[in-house]
Amino acid sequence: IAGITQAPTSQILAAGRRMTLRCTQDMRHNAMYWYRQDLGLGLRLIHYSNTAGTTGKGEVPDGYSVSRANTDDFPLTLASAVPSQTSVYFCASSSGIPTDTQYFGPGTRLTVL
Amino acid sequence: GQNIDQPTEMTATEGAIVQINCTYQTSGFNGLFWYQQHAGEAPTFLSYNVLDGLEEKGRFSSFLSRSKGYSYLLLKELQMKDSASYLCAVMDSNYQLIWGAGTKLIIKP
Repeated sequence: IAGITQAPTSQILAAGRRMTLRCTQDMRHNAMYWYRQDLGLGLRLIHYSNTAGTTGKGEVPDGYSVSRANTDDFPLTLASAVPSQTSVYFCASSSGIPTDTQYFGPGTRLTVL
Repeated sequence: GQNIDQPTEMTATEGAIVQINCTYQTSGFNGLFWYQQHAGEAPTFLSYNVLDGLEEKGRFSSFLSRSKGYSYLLLKELQMKDSASYLCAVMDSNYQLIWGAGTKLIIKP
């Protein structure tokens, strides 16, 4: 059982390009999340999904979009990347019970030049 | 606004005990989580407190005082592998996690 996988592991991207970060979980979790982690700051929620077919905005959603076509996959898209989106991106999932533990993927290190 | 405060960095000696504090101000409270994050890796769950008091789990314990907006993580019998960042996170009234910036713990032999 892999848990949560993310792809790519790292990426260097030119500003203005479109990029999709992939996230897949095999735990049949209902809820999934995208965070970004920047030096000196706490993890910040970008978007979330409480169940397949629904998504919601987190603290820093601008410039990002998500979809949740099925239970397992939760891709994050940057429509037109900007340098301020340089960060480490973590996908997480939980059972869907609100106070349940969130389990994290290994992260994607994205650099936008 | 919502705020989670924890020290940026702490240093301790192998075999000793260290206490990492976390204070919070959030809109609502649905529990406090502690995660461990080794450099370059994903955060991993350590503990969850929703009621006041101490929760013990092996070498790690976590304490919560809701009236004071305060928690601490206590690590005993420190090992070199405990060198990591420790993240405090509070679940607010919307059931979203608000994260502190993390405390980098350096263990010296």
